[in-house]
Amino acid sequence: EPEVTQTPSHQVTQMGQEVILRCVPISNHLYFYWYRQILGQKVEFLVSFYNNEISEKSEIFDDQFSVERPDGSNFTLKIRSTKLEDSAMYFCASSVGQGKDTQYFGPGTRLTVL
Amino acid sequence: AQSVTQLGSHVSVSEGALVLLRCNYSSSVPPYLFWYVQYPNQGLQLLLKYTSAATLVKGINGFEAEFKKSETSFHLTKPSAHMSDAAEYFCAVIRSTGGGNKLTFGTGTQLKVEL
Repeated sequence: EPEVTQTPSHQVTQMGQEVILRCVPISNHLYFYWYRQILGQKVEFLVSFYNNEISEKSEIFDDQFSVERPDGSNFTLKIRSTKLEDSAMYFCASSVGQGKDTQYFGPGTRLTVL
Repeated sequence: AQSVTQLGSHVSVSEGALVLLRCNYSSSVPPYLFWYVQYPNQGLQLLLKYTSAATLVKGINGFEAEFKKSETSFHLTKPSAHMSDAAEYFCAVIRSTGGGNKLTFGTGTQLKVEL
């Protein structure tokens, strides 16, 4: 069964450094998403991406964040200058369509900012 | 705006007992509702979803949920708990009209199954 994959599973970085989290969505899916879950808190939407552009973003997704689909398979989340409060589990997801179409989640990348 | 509230951050049941995890929603337009499960060190897996067809929805692993508009609820049930059901369960909502693909999650309910 096709699945969303994410690398790395765990990333440790120093405050102020740039990080890139990588995702490979399911191959025939057209919508791509990033969510994050700070330890002990709810899963929060960051951004959705369709047709090579951002279709929706949350207040969390400020100028420090960017997303890209550099080729036909990868979907990346970049944090330009990490802060301590960026420490969280980051989940990538993908879906065929929007609305009622199921969003399939990857296993997550745990980002630790020191 | 859409939101969901999950009552009970921790629920403990005996193996073989009924599982009931509560979810209430708030939405300005008819919602689509989802239940996801997260096993330790894994991603979120869809259990079932309500998309305005049948109000009683059956999912994987013997789980089901009933959409009740009058109560704005979408509670998750399973008649007989199994040890393998121990996990964290998340209710989520998405708007059904006006586009949009942002899932809004509840705070989650940790299910513990005891012998």
